[in-house]
Amino acid sequence: AQTVTQSQPEMSVQEAETVTLSCTYDTSENNYYLFWYKQPPSRQMILVIRQEAYKQQNATENRFSVNFQKAAKSFSLKISDSQLGDTAMYFCAFMKYPGNTPLVFGKGTRLSVIA
Amino acid sequence: EAGVAQSPRYKIIEKRQSVAFWCNPISGHATLYWYQQILGQGPKLLIQFQNNGVVDDSQLPKDRFSAERLKGVDSTLKIQPAKLEDSAVYLCASSLNLPNTEAFFGQGTRLTVV
Repeated sequence: AQTVTQSQPEMSVQEAETVTLSCTYDTSENNYYLFWYKQPPSRQMILVIRQEAYKQQNATENRFSVNFQKAAKSFSLKISDSQLGDTAMYFCAFMKYPGNTPLVFGKGTRLSVIA
Repeated sequence: EAGVAQSPRYKIIEKRQSVAFWCNPISGHATLYWYQQILGQGPKLLIQFQNNGVVDDSQLPKDRFSAERLKGVDSTLKIQPAKLEDSAVYLCASSLNLPNTEAFFGQGTRLTVV
């Protein structure tokens, strides 16, 4: 079975600064997908960024980028130029290859962006 | 396109009562998931449907939880009888029946059992 661990229950960052959220996972699979989801108070899970394990290049989406270390089973999220609207719960999640399978989530990190 | 619709948004019931949640996935999405998210935790899968068939219900407490997707479109999740520990947000998600596709989530139903 796969497990996902987020060791930072809460983090805060000043507006316009950069913050990194950590995630480690455990799996015996060689191919898989990793995701970061954002959950604002509205409760709707919003996909922030995804990474295919077979791709060595780290994924980027505007201000969001990941540091994917497959051997270390680490998948951190970096948010640059933090904005007040980034305040939310952030969940790291794992999906088995080839996809269309359930997501396995970590416990989440509550991020607060301070003006 | 319209997103995943869920209702109600909030529900408060007493223990031992029954409750039902409804989910309408994005049009054309054959795969539907129900997740339970207890406060302070990440969502955990309850059940996965492919069209109107169950793919995975290994984590569904079948003595009190049931779910159906009779016509392969919308789905209902029921709890009967409810326990205090069922207090949680119940999230529905849907995706296309294709590899490497994204799951889209609804806004969830927050259930409080008192």
